[in-house]
Amino acid sequence: DAGVTQSPTHLIKTRGQQVTLRCSPKSGHDTVSWYQQALGQGPQFIFQYYEEEERQRGNFPDRFSGHQFPNYSSELNVNALLLGDSALYLCASTSGTRRGEQFFGPGTRLTVL
Amino acid sequence: RKEVEQDPGPFNVPEGATVAFNCTYSNSASQSFFWYRQDCRKEPKLLMSVYSSGNEDGRFTAQLNRASQYISLLIRDSKLSDSATYLCVVISGSARQLTFGSGTQLTVLP
Repeated sequence: DAGVTQSPTHLIKTRGQQVTLRCSPKSGHDTVSWYQQALGQGPQFIFQYYEEEERQRGNFPDRFSGHQFPNYSSELNVNALLLGDSALYLCASTSGTRRGEQFFGPGTRLTVL
Repeated sequence: RKEVEQDPGPFNVPEGATVAFNCTYSNSASQSFFWYRQDCRKEPKLLMSVYSSGNEDGRFTAQLNRASQYISLLIRDSKLSDSATYLCVVISGSARQLTFGSGTQLTVLP
């Protein structure tokens, strides 16, 4: 049983570019949340997707957008990258109906130069 | 004020020591509480849930005080493998959004 998977593992971009990160939830999970973790900080909630809709959003600008597909996988898009967007981006999945433990993927480490 | 606050440490303790971490949260409507563990450059993993009655899992004991909005984690007989960052996590809202503290770094020394 595969856990949460994310791609790519690492990514280097320059300021102003756009990036798309991908996440496949754990088998049986239908809810995906995205988090940003800067160095030395705890993860910060970006948004959550359930039934292909954004259910809740944290304090992030509109440059951060997402999508959930019918197979429950999800994408995080960041436009007009800033140096401060450099971070580990974590995806977590859970079952919306059971609302149990959230399982995290290994993350995508984004570096903006 | 941050929603979840932790002492960042670092805590450097010898093997066998007992160490305690504390965490406070600001949202009195928070529903659930957890401790996560994060190893260097890895994803966070659930360590244990936290209940008002207190709960114990081997060498680990977690406690919640709702009146004081305070959560604690006690590690007894520390092992080298306990070295990690410990994240206090609070769940709130209909989407059960996780709010993390900034983490407390623990290094257990031989």
